[in-house]
Amino acid sequence: DAGITQSPRHKVTETGTPVTLRCHQTENHRYMYWYRQDPGHGLRLIHYSYGVKDTDKGEVSDGYSVSRSKTEDFLLTLESATSSQTSVYFCAISQNPPTYYNEQFFGPGTRLTVL
Amino acid sequence: AQSVAQPEDQVNVAEGNPLTVKCTYSVSGNPYLFWYVQYPNRGLQFLLKYITGDNLVKGSYGFEAEFNKSQTSFHLKKPSALVSDSALYFCAVSPLGSSNTGKLIFGQGTTLQVKP
Repeated sequence: DAGITQSPRHKVTETGTPVTLRCHQTENHRYMYWYRQDPGHGLRLIHYSYGVKDTDKGEVSDGYSVSRSKTEDFLLTLESATSSQTSVYFCAISQNPPTYYNEQFFGPGTRLTVL
Repeated sequence: AQSVAQPEDQVNVAEGNPLTVKCTYSVSGNPYLFWYVQYPNRGLQFLLKYITGDNLVKGSYGFEAEFNKSQTSFHLKKPSALVSDSALYFCAVSPLGSSNTGKLIFGQGTTLQVKP
């Protein structure tokens, strides 16, 4: 999976609790992305980063925040988890954004269940 | 609104037969187009992409895709399906003009089932 790890791989939590998912890359790629995958919706972009401390919102960013203090790490935080955030979360990296031809590489995913 | 559609939730083919997984898009301008494959409990893997030039693009594992500008389609094809091709396939588009965003718009996915 192109030098991308995600932790934890599985997590069960309760409504209202904070949750942080971590994405770690060893490729030194500049761009990093968080997606969620839900049946019938494909993958939807939550947040992305185009450099250290440079982040922006995707199409489904409500209820999520991100941080990137180092090139290799991109954290996704659910401040107060809700059942609607039960999903599989994927991190992806890209050396340049796809508008410059390069494809994204995906991590193995984190399955999050909010009870 | 910009979107990608994969009209079939599932495609069933017999091993050895040709396969087609359909994708159509609705974006402004000429987009960059991608196909990804996802095996169970794995992340997405890049298969191929269309940027410009020849409308027939060849990718990994014997897959190819045909870009049709007039029909705004980018169908994935393979001449002879293998059981190991069974997986979930995603079409994605990166609209031009979204510079410095890296945003990809994904279709909802098509499950390919190849039977022996």
